[in-house]
Amino acid sequence: KAGVTQTPRYLIKTRGQQVTLSCSPISGHRSVSWYQQTPGQGLQFLFEYFSETQRNKGNFPGRFSGRQFSNSRSEMNVSTLELGDSALYLCASSPQSLSGGGTDTQYFGPGTRLTVL
Amino acid sequence: AQTVTQSQPEMSVQEAETVTLSCTYDTSESDYYLFWYKQPPSRQMILVIRQEAYKQQNATENRFSVNFQKAAKSFSLKISDSQLGDAAMYFCAYYAGNMLTFGGGTRLMVKP
Repeated sequence: KAGVTQTPRYLIKTRGQQVTLSCSPISGHRSVSWYQQTPGQGLQFLFEYFSETQRNKGNFPGRFSGRQFSNSRSEMNVSTLELGDSALYLCASSPQSLSGGGTDTQYFGPGTRLTVL
Repeated sequence: AQTVTQSQPEMSVQEAETVTLSCTYDTSESDYYLFWYKQPPSRQMILVIRQEAYKQQNATENRFSVNFQKAAKSFSLKISDSQLGDAAMYFCAYYAGNMLTFGGGTRLMVKP
């Protein structure tokens, strides 16, 4: 099976712009979670989507949003970019939802490196 | 809130030797799951091993094993016969309450 794919791998934006990142889960996986990784804050959970519905959300401002399509592919959007949004954004997929009591292992993609200038 | 602490920012091991990475967590849950993930310089996060809290037996995956001490809320990772390819950032993660929480990571260096 192909792994989790994320596009683009690298992105450079300026403050105030918005950005959309894409994640394609492993075939058959219905849950997609997003994480932000920075040197200062480490890995932080953004949100999880399952069956096109947001199931869980971490402690991030409303500028961070996402959606999931019927084929389980997910997009994450960040509006009004700030310098502090520069990070590696990882998505992970699993067969079942985390919130449904699913304890399936999450499989991570290679990440999108976002740089905000 | 759950917290995961990895007290060793960096560790070093000689090739072929054994190293143990520490992880402690704070929780009021009785049922949860613990993971160790590896992130090599290429940045792809890879699952190393997972442990269900209700299982007393420590998980083992080839050269990787854990020492799970539920009462002490400790979950250490032992890597035996270390190889150069083991060099990476290692993250301990805790799952419960609908969220996966990560520790700050331990950078493992392997000396030839």
